[in-house]
Amino acid sequence: QVHLQESGPGLVKPSQTLSLTCTVSGGSISSGTYYWSWIRQHPGKGLEWIGHIYYSGSTYYNASLKSRVTISVDTSKNQFSLRLSSVTAADTAVYYCGRDSRGMDAWGQGTTVTVSS
Amino acid sequence: EIVLTQSPATLSLSPGERATLSCRASQSVSIYLAWYQQKPGQAPRLLIFDASNRATGIPARFSGSGSGTDFTLTISSLEPEDFAVYYCQQRSNWPREPTFGGGTKVEIK
Repeated sequence: QVHLQESGPGLVKPSQTLSLTCTVSGGSISSGTYYWSWIRQHPGKGLEWIGHIYYSGSTYYNASLKSRVTISVDTSKNQFSLRLSSVTAADTAVYYCGRDSRGMDAWGQGTTVTVSS
Repeated sequence: EIVLTQSPATLSLSPGERATLSCRASQSVSIYLAWYQQKPGQAPRLLIFDASNRATGIPARFSGSGSGTDFTLTISSLEPEDFAVYYCQQRSNWPREPTFGGGTKVEIK
């Protein structure tokens, strides 16, 4: 059974870059069946799709975040990563990574990122 | 951008009752709609994909229907563990920009 785990700093200063990594175990990122996704949830709010990546490196991003987002993959480590630049308090959220084909059928537990000086 | 509107925002029901949740899309998404359940402090869980297909391990009391712009998630008889927030997600331009609805909270009456 696949397991996903987010890791990264829980506190980021305004204007800096948020960096998170998702480590996948129990399955290969290179299997070719899935896109590997990032979703976030602002406090008390709904879900926002950030973007996703295929094992080959092909990416798609939320248009509203596209100028600040980069998602990358490291198949040798079975990991994929999120970078969000120029963060503000509005980027404070729980960030989830997940596996997606016909729906996101596997999720990490989520990691809280707070943007504050 | 396709906008999904979920209604009602909150549904107050008792265990054993039937829950009917609605998701309406601003334009047709064909059958490419998924439903998720989220409990407090937990990641969402996929319930339904392609409008009416239950994901692995999802109980038969959960069913999805609809196509085009109007979709319904039905829980035939609410169990205590079903009280949660439910989100729909459209995937009509997959892999481009799947978007979520705002959610419906099913609470205990």
